[in-house]
Amino acid sequence: DSGVTQTPKHLITATGQRVTLRCSPRSGDLSVYWYQQSLDQGLQFLIQYYNGEERAKGNILERFSAQQFPDLHSELNLSSLELGDSALYFCASSVVAGTNTGELFFGEGSRLTVL
Amino acid sequence: SQQGEEDPQALSIQEGENATMNCSYKTSINNLQWYRQNSGRGLVHLILIRSNEREKHSGRLRVTLDTSKKSSSLLITASRAADTASYFCATSRNYQLIWGAGTKLIIKP
Repeated sequence: DSGVTQTPKHLITATGQRVTLRCSPRSGDLSVYWYQQSLDQGLQFLIQYYNGEERAKGNILERFSAQQFPDLHSELNLSSLELGDSALYFCASSVVAGTNTGELFFGEGSRLTVL
Repeated sequence: SQQGEEDPQALSIQEGENATMNCSYKTSINNLQWYRQNSGRGLVHLILIRSNEREKHSGRLRVTLDTSKKSSSLLITASRAADTASYFCATSRNYQLIWGAGTKLIIKP
């Protein structure tokens, strides 16, 4: 158990809909990262937050947005969903946010299926 | 874009044999990390090697780093069925971790 909690574990929805994925980081971790992993693919970095502020942005679509709340949990909002958005979405957390990124702790992911 | 590139993309060996995976990257790094992912599960951190280190061990894992060649290798000795997974390298630079596409390792009984 990594200590990172993601909900929901599975989500099935229709094209055009909007969903929210939730992540609670490990206790004490200030950094939260969101990743997308399509079937049998590598990890695509979406966005990173540190202590409530956006720290780095990756290949995140304009239809997607995220935020980190004062209690450090984070939400990833996916809107106007398309079939191609079907993927595993992972949240990870770490202690540090400096230039030297340390170990990331991953949640078990939220599997999104868009029909 | 992905900086790390793992080689091979897939590897199938007999239980008990050693497995070696390689990772190459393009720019200078702070550290390089290896992660394991069982099918459909979250990634698990295996080992971190800093840019000023050349070799690191953890149990049956041995990681080497050659900054002059911008490459790293992960050796798993005496493989077990439970080692069947995908293995990813990630390089740390400027606040970000850059991931490779992974090596899929299958251990045959």
